[in-house]
Amino acid sequence: AQSVTQLDSQVPVFEEAPVELRCNYSSSVSVYLFWYVQYPNQGLQLLLKYLSGSTLVKGINGFEAEFNKSQTSFHLRKPSVHISDTAEYFCAVSLYGGSQGNLIFGKGTKLSVKP
Amino acid sequence: DAGITQSPRYKITETGRQVTLMCHQTWSHSYMFWYRQDLGHGLRLIYYSAAADITDKGEVPDGYVVSRSKTENFPLTLESATRSQTSVYFCASSESLGGWDFGPGTRLTVT
Repeated sequence: AQSVTQLDSQVPVFEEAPVELRCNYSSSVSVYLFWYVQYPNQGLQLLLKYLSGSTLVKGINGFEAEFNKSQTSFHLRKPSVHISDTAEYFCAVSLYGGSQGNLIFGKGTKLSVKP
Repeated sequence: DAGITQSPRYKITETGRQVTLMCHQTWSHSYMFWYRQDLGHGLRLIYYSAAADITDKGEVPDGYVVSRSKTENFPLTLESATRSQTSVYFCASSESLGGWDFGPGTRLTVT
């Protein structure tokens, strides 16, 4: 069975500082990987996704993530955060070629950007 | 408007009552999903559907019923609501394994 672990439940950071949100997954087969962002009282918005190809994936709002198959990780990074990046971030996986097609989510990381 | 919509957006109901949450998508996506979001648990899959008339259980299906008679609609029914079902419910749809679109959510409170 697949599982996703987000190693930090909360990450406080100062504005303009770099940030890394960590995500590790467990799966015996190839997976697709995703990062979603949820702003307060809103739905989920796709930040970026890894399906195949280059292991460095660039997404919206200046975020990027790197797929590391040997370490089964998909950490999210941004070189300089803004106050508006304050939100909850979810890492998710789905089976490659699977028939179920459902997403498995981590428990989320709350990013708090302070001035 | 194209997209995925949920109704109602907010609902308060009493323990024991039946409640139906609606989900509608305009893309004719094959896959549809219901998730619940709770503090400390992230999002957990309740039910999903690969096509009309095909549904299957997710991680936390107890107490919920779904149907999918039309591709675009995927209602979720709480047959006899309990306080533990107080949550935010998200519907999602997907045509392929590479992308999911989420609705805005329904905040349900069971008193």
